[in-house]
Amino acid sequence: DIQMTQSPASLSASVGETVTITCRASENIYSYLAWYQQKQGKSPQLLVYNAKTLAEGVPSRFSGSGSGTQFSLKINSLQPEDFGSYYCQHHYGTPLTFGAGTKLELK
Amino acid sequence: QVQLQQSGPELVKPGASVRISCKASGYTFTSYYIHWVKQRPGQGLEWIGWIYPGNVNTKYNEKFKGKATLTADKSSSTAYMQLSSLTSEDSAVYFCARDYGSSYLAYWGQGTLVTVSA
Repeated sequence: DIQMTQSPASLSASVGETVTITCRASENIYSYLAWYQQKQGKSPQLLVYNAKTLAEGVPSRFSGSGSGTQFSLKINSLQPEDFGSYYCQHHYGTPLTFGAGTKLELK
Repeated sequence: QVQLQQSGPELVKPGASVRISCKASGYTFTSYYIHWVKQRPGQGLEWIGWIYPGNVNTKYNEKFKGKATLTADKSSSTAYMQLSSLTSEDSAVYFCARDYGSSYLAYWGQGTLVTVSA
């Protein structure tokens, strides 16, 4: 199985700051990488797929990059609604696997 | 609009089985994979498997073979997951999700909480 290693596990930031979350795959997954945001008690929401394509309705302050084994999600100018947990997931064959998550908290 | 409506919370005894439903609307049910994902309290996401309602083919995470059984009813556009021989390790929120052609999960149900307790 492909292992997804996400960092950091937690992150404190203020409104208006820029943050970056990284995700490393244990083998080459080309650009088959998705990012999700999950708020407490809610289902995950797709943010990015194919490493850099924003899902419909996702604000442009979110951006994804990377290919192969190294990926990142960048959030520019954090807004209050951006706080929550973020997960990466490869979509290169099965089993699908997720990173352990990054909890983004308000400083 | 695409919607996935899951069944309500379940409290089940150890050793029992439970079936969770996921009713799809707003798209052609038989044209997209439905995936199931497990999330234990305060934990991350774990992929259980998928079912393709068009031909009811299934694919499971090896970890969940023998634990989960995925089915689908085309007539009601509903996907089901049965979990058997339940233990406390199966207490979790279970999500159904629809992909968008390449196994990224574009639409999610609201989740179903399964609590295994005597």
